[in-house]
Amino acid sequence: EVQLVESGGGLVQPGGSLRISCAASGITVSDHYMDWVRQAPGKGLEWLGRTENKVTSYTTEYAASVKGRFTISRDDSQNSLYLQMNSLKSEDTAVYYCARRSVGMDVWGKGTTVTVSS
Amino acid sequence: DIVMTQSPDSLAVSLGERATINCKSSQSVLYSSNSKSSLAWYQQKPGQPPKLLIYWTSTRQSGVPDRFSGSGSGTDFTLTISSLQAEDVAVYYCQQYYSLPITFGGGTKVEIK
Repeated sequence: EVQLVESGGGLVQPGGSLRISCAASGITVSDHYMDWVRQAPGKGLEWLGRTENKVTSYTTEYAASVKGRFTISRDDSQNSLYLQMNSLKSEDTAVYYCARRSVGMDVWGKGTTVTVSS
Repeated sequence: DIVMTQSPDSLAVSLGERATINCKSSQSVLYSSNSKSSLAWYQQKPGQPPKLLIYWTSTRQSGVPDRFSGSGSGTDFTLTISSLQAEDVAVYYCQQYYSLPITFGGGTKVEIK
């Protein structure tokens, strides 16, 4: 069974940093494009960025709203994806999802909640 | 950025009746290599992650009931639930994956009348 499990969310103060993880099973992360998407409370879906696969040298792309603050990385030995978030703002409060991209995002984790508040 | 606009924001439909959700993109999302529009639909139930229903405008994801169908071309797209079931109560999102940044519509909440 293909599964993605996010972890590492929590409460962080404005201006702080947090790294969240996405552990994969049933797939090899390095073979796929992987996306990060977030959902603020009561709001819609916002794409944050993606990392491509080894074919395209793991190119990463970001949404303008997080470029320069967020960094996507992966650890193939752990079959995991990471989202490093710096200079966090209250508007970054959301559920953060990782998703596999094939055509459309066909596998999603259950999400991890990040709350930015003092 | 390609802006995706969904309508209506919400709709209430009787069990067994048809539900229709519209999505408009601010520019064409036609992928020239296969002449298909790079448009997907997702279903999200409360407390759950989104679930991919349809991609390439009209191709159902494996396991999705055939009461869900997608159509459209150019910049106008539609998701139709032909006979609404209780388990279809959810928020539905369209998404373009033609160009970065990937963008979603604002969502349409479907309820039972």
